[in-house]
Amino acid sequence: SQQGEEDPQALSIQEGENATMNCSYKTSINNLQWYRQNSGRGLVHLILIRSNEREKHSGRLRVTLDTSKKSSSLLITASRAADTASYFCATDGAAGNKLTFGGGTRVLVKP
Amino acid sequence: ETGVTQSPTHLIKTRGQQVTLRCSSQSGHNTVSWYQQALGQGPQFIFQYYREEENGRGNFPPRFSGLQFPNYSSELNVNALELDDSALYLCASSLDRASSTDTQYFGPGTRLTVL
Repeated sequence: SQQGEEDPQALSIQEGENATMNCSYKTSINNLQWYRQNSGRGLVHLILIRSNEREKHSGRLRVTLDTSKKSSSLLITASRAADTASYFCATDGAAGNKLTFGGGTRVLVKP
Repeated sequence: ETGVTQSPTHLIKTRGQQVTLRCSSQSGHNTVSWYQQALGQGPQFIFQYYREEENGRGNFPPRFSGLQFPNYSSELNVNALELDDSALYLCASSLDRASSTDTQYFGPGTRLTVL
């Protein structure tokens, strides 16, 4: 079963625009991670935010975490065609680094 | 490139057959996890191996089994294949089984089709 749900399921934007996607989860977590997947291939780790952090930045990525609402958001600023991919949030809990993924947001960045 | 490799890239099997998928972990990593990703869905955790022992299992039947070898490479075996086993199978290696902040590095996956 999926721990998280991403919203929206799909997103289409123009190059240069910002893309925002949200993730909700159900149980307590140690941390939340975001991954990118191109064309149904392997996942690439983007960013990890710990449960005691509220916001984190990495390049054009900004992640927020609200543990009271059990939700996170990923913002990609100044999007590029190369950002076209599926984005997944993943959480882990007491069982160490077993990851539980959401269903993903499919992002299309049009040139 | 994560340094994690998987073979084969694609595989076609028929219902009832058995399949073995292989994963070579990133150098220095002693923990490997396997995930199943059905089309249009997020990956689902199958099991994890740490130093050749199973270290946690998801909601998958016993016909899904695994091995981890002394060099930390790994196999996923699936017996009595069913049509619903068609999916992308991903392995991920990490440095430490217990660290919740340890990044998992994913391989490119094996696409299994069961006819």
